[in-house]
Amino acid sequence: NAGVTQTPKFRILKIGQSMTLQCAQDMNHNYMYWYRQDPGMGLKLIYYSVGAGITDKGEVPNGYNVSRSTTEDFPLRLELAAPSQTSVYFCASSSSQTGYEQYFGPGTRLTVT
Amino acid sequence: AQRVTQPEKLLSVFKGAPVELKCNYSYSGSPELFWYVQYSRQRLQLLLRHISRESIKGFTADLNKGETSFHLKKPFAQEEDSAMYYCALSGRNSGGYQKVTFGIGTKLQVIP
Repeated sequence: NAGVTQTPKFRILKIGQSMTLQCAQDMNHNYMYWYRQDPGMGLKLIYYSVGAGITDKGEVPNGYNVSRSTTEDFPLRLELAAPSQTSVYFCASSSSQTGYEQYFGPGTRLTVT
Repeated sequence: AQRVTQPEKLLSVFKGAPVELKCNYSYSGSPELFWYVQYSRQRLQLLLRHISRESIKGFTADLNKGETSFHLKKPFAQEEDSAMYYCALSGRNSGGYQKVTFGIGTKLQVIP
C-alpha cells in the first residue's frame, strides 16, 4: 500500500492564483482530513470528510473548498491565494477499523507571494 | 465541544533526564486519546494510543479521567527523541461523526 499520497510536494503561487492540492489514499478509509501547519501554531483542521459525498468545515475553512467524489480522493482547492495561506498542508485518513488512528501524507509546502 | 491543551510549546531537557509532555483534554463522553510524533521534515505518525496501554520507544502515557490528562512520559530522554509531539482526542460530534482535535504541539529538545 502507498498509504496517503499528496501532490505536489512544493508550490509557489502568486497572490490571486488558484490551485488544487491532491490527496489520495489506498486503504479504503472512510474519513479524510486536511490540516494546515503553521510554525508554532500546531495543526489546524481545514475540512474533513466522513465518506464520499460528505464533507464538513473544520476550524479554518475560509479560502478553501473540498470535494469527495470517491473514497480514495480528497482534493483541496485554493481560490484566490493569499499570503496568509502560506503553510504546510497535510492530508490524513482514518477509519473505525483502525481505531481512528490518523495516517498522514508527506505534506505540501505552499508559498504565496 | 472537545478541546486539547498542551501548555508547553517548547520543552528542553538534558539527555538522560526524565521527560513529561503534558496534555489535558475537555470532552463530555469517553475519549480516545493519542500521541503523535513528527520528526524533522517527516510526516506525523502515531506514537501511542491510550487504549492499547503499550510502551513505544520507551514512552508511556496513562489516561487520568479524574484530572482529564494524558501526559506522555519517558524516564530517560535520548537525543533521537527530539521532535514535535501532538496530543489528540477522538470523539463523536453532535452529528454522530468521529471528530479528531489536535493540541498545538510541544517541541521536545533533548540537549546532549
